[in-house]
Amino acid sequence: DGGITQSPKYLFRKEGQNVTLSCEQNLNHDAMYWYRQDPGQGLRLIYYSQIVNDFQKGDIAEGYSVSREKKESFPLTVTSAQKNPTAFYLCASRTSGGTDTQYFGPGTRLTVL
Amino acid sequence: ELKVEQNPLFLSMQEGKNYTIYCNYSTTSDRLYWYRQDPGKSLESLFVLLSNGAVKQEGRLMASLDTKARLSTLHITAAVHDLSATYFCAVVPGTYKYIFGTGTRLKVLA
Repeated sequence: DGGITQSPKYLFRKEGQNVTLSCEQNLNHDAMYWYRQDPGQGLRLIYYSQIVNDFQKGDIAEGYSVSREKKESFPLTVTSAQKNPTAFYLCASRTSGGTDTQYFGPGTRLTVL
Repeated sequence: ELKVEQNPLFLSMQEGKNYTIYCNYSTTSDRLYWYRQDPGKSLESLFVLLSNGAVKQEGRLMASLDTKARLSTLHITAAVHDLSATYFCAVVPGTYKYIFGTGTRLKVLA
């Protein structure tokens, strides 16, 4: 089955720790995205990548970092510089051409202890 | 500033009733997307509207797009409890960045 997987589903972080959220897709999509969603809110763009070895900052990139070494993978690191990281993190990939629809992974819920 | 506003933010309606959710956006976009999100879950794609005047229907939901007015509507016909969810619209002002609306939380009461 083609799709997007995110792991872990739940993640707990102590203050001062860096943590990495995994996002993998087997849809052969070029573009991938990371969003943050706070309770009762919409989605805010953290980073996006149009192609391997290239990525751009979104609207709230401070305190986050990404890499795109493989087409299938787009991991997000939440660094200790992110002061309020507790949120629901969603990864998405996008079809190339046609409808350009984004498809979302199941999400990772990060909680700072 | 790019804005995508949805109206209403919260909607509580009786089963069997009709209602419309509005999505207004402040920038040009030739595409508009509607998504559904169940509590604690991810987003599910509902509709893609690719041109002015586009209309898509799936079951009790119908979406339309007016690019000149920068307005999309999501119409609910004869609501049922299973439609309870949060609905988001999104536009793409450039090539790769998607701007999501504020979301409309719909609760259908039996």
